[in-house]
Amino acid sequence: EIVLTQSPATLSLSPGERATLSCRASQSVSTFLAWYQQKPGQAPRLLIYDASNRATGIAARFSGSGSGTDFTLTISSLEPEDFAIYYCQQRSTWPTFGQGTRLDIK
Amino acid sequence: QMQLVESGGGVVQPGTSLRLSCEASAVTFISSYAMHWVRQAPGKGLEWVAVISYDGTNTYYADSVKGRFTMSRDNSKHTVYLQMSSLRDDDTAIYYCARGQSPWIEQPTFVFWGQGTPVTVSS
Repeated sequence: EIVLTQSPATLSLSPGERATLSCRASQSVSTFLAWYQQKPGQAPRLLIYDASNRATGIAARFSGSGSGTDFTLTISSLEPEDFAIYYCQQRSTWPTFGQGTRLDIK
Repeated sequence: QMQLVESGGGVVQPGTSLRLSCEASAVTFISSYAMHWVRQAPGKGLEWVAVISYDGTNTYYADSVKGRFTMSRDNSKHTVYLQMSSLRDDDTAIYYCARGQSPWIEQPTFVFWGQGTPVTVSS
Protein backbone atom coordinates (compact mmCIF):
# COMPACT_ATOMS: atom_id res chain seq x y z
CA GLU A 1 0.00 0.00 0.00
CA ILE A 2 1.26 3.45 -0.90
CA VAL A 3 1.22 5.80 2.09
CA LEU A 4 0.62 9.49 1.49
CA THR A 5 1.88 11.94 4.11
CA GLN A 6 0.49 15.46 4.06
CA SER A 7 2.12 18.48 5.67
CA PRO A 8 1.52 20.55 7.57
CA ALA A 9 -1.34 19.00 9.52
CA THR A 10 -2.77 22.47 10.09
CA LEU A 11 -2.04 25.70 8.24
CA SER A 12 -3.27 29.02 9.60
CA LEU A 13 -3.38 31.85 7.09
CA SER A 14 -5.34 35.01 6.33
CA PRO A 15 -7.52 35.74 3.31
CA GLY A 16 -5.41 37.03 0.45
CA GLU A 17 -2.34 35.03 1.48
CA ARG A 18 -0.79 32.21 -0.53
CA ALA A 19 -1.22 28.64 0.71
CA THR A 20 1.18 25.82 -0.06
CA LEU A 21 0.18 22.28 0.92
CA SER A 22 2.44 19.28 0.54
CA CYS A 23 1.82 15.59 -0.13
CA ARG A 24 4.61 13.01 -0.11
CA ALA A 25 4.19 9.42 -1.33
CA SER A 26 6.03 6.43 0.12
CA GLN A 27 6.93 5.37 -3.43
CA SER A 28 6.60 6.92 -6.86
CA VAL A 29 3.06 7.47 -8.12
CA SER A 30 4.18 9.20 -11.34
CA THR A 31 1.61 11.97 -11.78
CA PHE A 32 -1.33 9.85 -10.62
CA LEU A 33 -2.27 12.17 -7.80
CA ALA A 34 -5.43 14.14 -7.06
CA TRP A 35 -6.43 16.80 -4.54
CA TYR A 36 -9.84 17.16 -2.88
CA GLN A 37 -11.40 19.85 -0.72
CA GLN A 38 -13.82 18.99 2.07
CA LYS A 39 -15.86 21.47 4.08
CA PRO A 40 -17.63 20.55 7.34
CA GLY A 41 -20.69 18.41 6.75
CA GLN A 42 -20.04 18.15 3.02
CA ALA A 43 -18.68 15.55 0.66
CA PRO A 44 -15.19 15.96 -0.77
CA ARG A 45 -14.87 17.85 -4.04
CA LEU A 46 -12.29 17.12 -6.71
CA LEU A 47 -9.96 20.06 -7.29
CA ILE A 48 -6.94 18.73 -9.18
CA TYR A 49 -6.35 15.44 -10.99
CA ASP A 50 -3.22 13.88 -12.42
CA ALA A 51 -1.08 16.25 -10.36
CA SER A 52 -1.72 19.46 -12.25
CA ASN A 53 -5.08 19.42 -14.06
CA ARG A 54 -7.87 21.52 -12.63
CA ALA A 55 -11.24 19.78 -12.47
CA THR A 56 -14.25 21.31 -14.18
CA GLY A 57 -15.40 24.51 -12.52
CA ILE A 58 -12.40 24.89 -10.22
CA ALA A 59 -11.06 28.43 -9.82
CA ALA A 60 -7.73 29.31 -11.40
CA ARG A 61 -6.24 30.22 -8.00
CA PHE A 62 -5.92 26.48 -7.33
CA SER A 63 -2.91 24.82 -8.93
CA GLY A 64 -1.08 21.54 -8.49
CA SER A 65 2.43 20.45 -9.26
CA GLY A 66 4.84 17.60 -8.72
CA SER A 67 5.64 14.10 -9.87
CA GLY A 68 7.11 10.93 -8.44
CA THR A 69 6.86 11.25 -4.67
CA ASP A 70 6.50 14.99 -3.97
CA PHE A 71 3.43 17.06 -4.77
CA THR A 72 2.15 20.53 -3.96
CA LEU A 73 -1.25 22.17 -3.97
CA THR A 74 -1.04 25.95 -4.16
CA ILE A 75 -3.84 28.41 -3.56
CA SER A 76 -2.52 31.69 -4.90
CA SER A 77 -4.70 34.10 -2.92
CA LEU A 78 -7.01 32.68 -0.28
CA GLU A 79 -10.70 33.43 -0.43
CA PRO A 80 -12.91 33.01 2.67
CA GLU A 81 -14.53 29.91 1.14
CA ASP A 82 -11.16 28.14 0.77
CA PHE A 83 -10.79 27.39 4.48
CA ALA A 84 -11.40 23.66 4.64
CA ILE A 85 -9.60 20.32 4.82
CA TYR A 86 -7.58 19.20 1.81
CA TYR A 87 -6.77 15.60 0.96
CA CYS A 88 -4.42 14.12 -1.61
CA GLN A 89 -5.15 10.72 -3.22
CA GLN A 90 -3.00 8.48 -5.38
CA ARG A 91 -4.25 6.19 -8.12
CA SER A 92 -1.00 4.51 -9.11
CA THR A 93 -2.20 1.45 -7.22
CA TRP A 94 -5.47 0.82 -5.42
CA PRO A 95 -6.38 4.24 -4.13
CA THR A 96 -5.17 5.66 -0.85
CA PHE A 97 -5.61 9.10 0.70
CA GLY A 98 -3.41 11.32 2.79
CA GLN A 99 -4.51 12.18 6.30
CA GLY A 100 -5.47 15.72 5.33
CA THR A 101 -4.31 19.29 5.90
CA ARG A 102 -6.67 21.61 7.74
CA LEU A 103 -6.52 25.17 6.41
CA ASP A 104 -7.69 27.55 9.12
CA ILE A 105 -8.37 31.27 9.16
CA LYS A 106 -5.67 33.10 11.11
CA GLN B 1 -28.17 18.61 -12.37
CA MET B 2 -25.97 15.56 -11.96
CA GLN B 3 -26.43 14.06 -8.53
CA LEU B 4 -25.66 10.95 -6.54
CA VAL B 5 -27.96 10.21 -3.60
CA GLU B 6 -27.05 7.58 -1.05
CA SER B 7 -29.53 5.86 1.25
CA GLY B 8 -29.82 2.87 3.55
CA GLY B 9 -27.58 3.94 6.40
CA GLY B 10 -28.58 3.53 10.01
CA VAL B 11 -27.69 2.17 13.44
CA VAL B 12 -27.08 -1.57 13.58
CA GLN B 13 -25.57 -4.08 15.99
CA PRO B 14 -22.22 -5.77 15.42
CA GLY B 15 -22.46 -8.90 13.30
CA THR B 16 -25.53 -7.77 11.39
CA SER B 17 -26.02 -6.70 7.78
CA LEU B 18 -27.03 -3.54 5.93
CA ARG B 19 -27.46 -2.59 2.28
CA LEU B 20 -26.59 0.86 1.02
CA SER B 21 -27.89 2.29 -2.23
CA CYS B 22 -26.62 5.09 -4.43
CA GLU B 23 -28.96 6.42 -7.09
CA ALA B 24 -27.85 8.72 -9.88
CA SER B 25 -30.04 11.52 -11.18
CA ALA B 26 -29.80 10.14 -14.73
CA VAL B 27 -28.89 6.77 -16.17
CA THR B 28 -26.31 8.33 -18.46
CA PHE B 29 -24.56 9.85 -15.50
CA ILE B 30 -23.13 6.55 -14.28
CA SER B 31 -23.79 3.83 -16.85
CA SER B 32 -20.45 4.34 -18.62
CA TYR B 33 -18.33 4.73 -15.51
CA ALA B 34 -16.91 2.71 -12.69
CA MET B 35 -18.49 3.51 -9.34
CA HIS B 36 -16.88 3.50 -5.91
CA TRP B 37 -17.68 3.56 -2.23
CA VAL B 38 -15.45 5.65 0.03
CA ARG B 39 -15.98 5.94 3.78
CA GLN B 40 -15.02 8.39 6.49
CA ALA B 41 -15.01 7.41 10.14
CA PRO B 42 -16.06 10.13 12.59
CA GLY B 43 -13.40 12.85 12.72
CA LYS B 44 -11.09 10.83 10.48
CA GLY B 45 -9.83 10.85 6.91
CA LEU B 46 -11.06 9.12 3.78
CA GLU B 47 -10.79 5.39 3.08
CA TRP B 48 -11.57 3.80 -0.27
CA VAL B 49 -13.81 0.74 0.20
CA ALA B 50 -14.90 -0.84 -3.08
CA VAL B 51 -15.27 -0.41 -6.84
CA ILE B 52 -17.41 -1.88 -9.60
CA SER B 53 -16.80 -1.57 -13.33
CA TYR B 54 -19.27 0.19 -15.61
CA ASP B 55 -20.96 -3.09 -16.60
CA GLY B 56 -20.76 -4.81 -13.23
CA THR B 57 -18.41 -7.55 -14.38
CA ASN B 58 -15.47 -6.57 -12.21
CA THR B 59 -15.27 -5.59 -8.57
CA TYR B 60 -12.49 -5.01 -6.06
CA TYR B 61 -12.42 -4.38 -2.35
CA ALA B 62 -10.18 -2.92 0.30
CA ASP B 63 -8.61 -5.56 2.52
CA SER B 64 -10.54 -4.18 5.50
CA VAL B 65 -13.89 -5.22 3.96
CA LYS B 66 -12.95 -8.08 1.63
CA GLY B 67 -15.16 -11.10 2.19
CA ARG B 68 -17.73 -9.06 4.13
CA PHE B 69 -18.91 -6.39 1.65
CA THR B 70 -20.30 -6.92 -1.85
CA MET B 71 -20.81 -4.20 -4.40
CA SER B 72 -23.29 -4.49 -7.27
CA ARG B 73 -25.10 -2.26 -9.74
CA ASP B 74 -28.31 -2.09 -11.77
CA ASN B 75 -27.77 0.30 -14.65
CA SER B 76 -31.44 0.11 -15.64
CA LYS B 77 -32.19 1.72 -12.28
CA HIS B 78 -29.02 3.88 -12.37
CA THR B 79 -28.23 2.58 -8.92
CA VAL B 80 -25.25 0.95 -7.23
CA TYR B 81 -25.38 -1.01 -4.01
CA LEU B 82 -23.11 -1.99 -1.16
CA GLN B 83 -24.18 -5.07 0.75
CA MET B 84 -22.41 -5.06 4.11
CA SER B 85 -22.37 -8.10 6.35
CA SER B 86 -20.64 -9.14 9.58
CA LEU B 87 -20.49 -5.47 10.49
CA ARG B 88 -17.95 -4.38 13.09
CA ASP B 89 -17.57 -1.32 15.27
CA ASP B 90 -14.80 -0.01 13.02
CA ASP B 91 -17.17 0.02 10.04
CA THR B 92 -18.86 3.04 11.63
CA ALA B 93 -18.52 5.87 9.11
CA ILE B 94 -20.21 8.06 6.57
CA TYR B 95 -20.33 6.10 3.33
CA TYR B 96 -20.00 8.09 0.12
CA CYS B 97 -20.55 6.81 -3.37
CA ALA B 98 -18.38 8.39 -6.02
CA ARG B 99 -18.16 8.22 -9.77
CA GLY B 100 -14.84 7.39 -11.35
CA GLN B 101 -13.25 8.96 -14.39
CA SER B 102 -13.29 5.84 -16.57
CA PRO B 103 -15.34 2.65 -17.13
CA TRP B 104 -12.66 0.51 -15.49
CA ILE B 105 -11.93 -0.33 -11.90
CA GLU B 106 -8.23 0.49 -11.98
CA GLN B 107 -6.52 3.78 -11.18
CA PRO B 108 -9.54 5.87 -10.23
CA THR B 109 -10.02 9.54 -9.67
CA PHE B 110 -13.26 10.36 -7.84
CA VAL B 111 -14.96 12.96 -9.99
CA PHE B 112 -18.44 13.25 -8.44
CA TRP B 113 -19.52 12.43 -4.91
CA GLY B 114 -22.82 11.92 -3.20
CA GLN B 115 -23.59 13.54 0.15
CA GLY B 116 -23.09 10.30 2.04
CA THR B 117 -25.14 8.08 4.31
CA PRO B 118 -24.12 7.43 7.93
CA VAL B 119 -23.64 3.93 9.28
CA THR B 120 -23.22 3.34 13.00
CA VAL B 121 -22.32 -0.10 14.30
CA SER B 122 -22.87 -0.29 18.02
CA SER B 123 -24.21 -2.66 20.62
